[in-house]
Amino acid sequence: AQSVTQLGSHVSVSEGALVLLRCNYSSSVPPYLFWYVQYPNQGLQLLLKYTSAATLVKGINGFEAEFKKSETSFHLTKPSAHMSDAAEYFCAAENYGGSQGNLIFGKGTKLSVKP
Amino acid sequence: DVKVTQSSRYLVKRTGEKVFLECVQDMDHENMFWYRQDPGLGLRLIYFSYDVKMKEKGDIPEGYSVSREKKERFSLILESASTNQTSMYLCASRHSGTTPTNEKLFFGSGTQLSVL
Repeated sequence: AQSVTQLGSHVSVSEGALVLLRCNYSSSVPPYLFWYVQYPNQGLQLLLKYTSAATLVKGINGFEAEFKKSETSFHLTKPSAHMSDAAEYFCAAENYGGSQGNLIFGKGTKLSVKP
Repeated sequence: DVKVTQSSRYLVKRTGEKVFLECVQDMDHENMFWYRQDPGLGLRLIYFSYDVKMKEKGDIPEGYSVSREKKERFSLILESASTNQTSMYLCASRHSGTTPTNEKLFFGSGTQLSVL
């Protein structure tokens, strides 16, 4: 069964520092991959998605992610953290070969940004 | 602006009660989903529906049922609520697209259910 692993349930960075949130997937067939963000008391919203068109994907709010097939990774980065980036981030993969329309989510990484 | 609306933001129920969580989307999406979100466990799929009156079990369907009588509405039913069903419930929808699909999910704001 496919799985998505996010390393680190909590990540803390200083304002202006690099943000790196890690995601690895397990699949012999590279799936479609997504990063979602959840701000406090809100639902999830899409940050970016990988669709095999390009390995470096740019998303909203200055985030980007790089798909590396050899490492089965899809890490999320942002060069300079803002206080407003404090949220929980979820990596997800299309459940290739599974039930129609289902996504497999990682357990989430909560990002804290210190002033 | 596209919307997925969940009827209640907070809900408090008693053990044994029958609980209905409602979700409505205005985007004519074929697929609708109910997830449960718990700290440290991420999102887990309870049920999803790919068309009116069609449903499939997700990873944790026990103790839940669903209803989709109209395309825009997807209801989650807790037949007899228990304390271990205290959780945040998130509804989502999207176009079906191809399989696999890279269509994005649109989420509601969630319903925090407490079962006492």
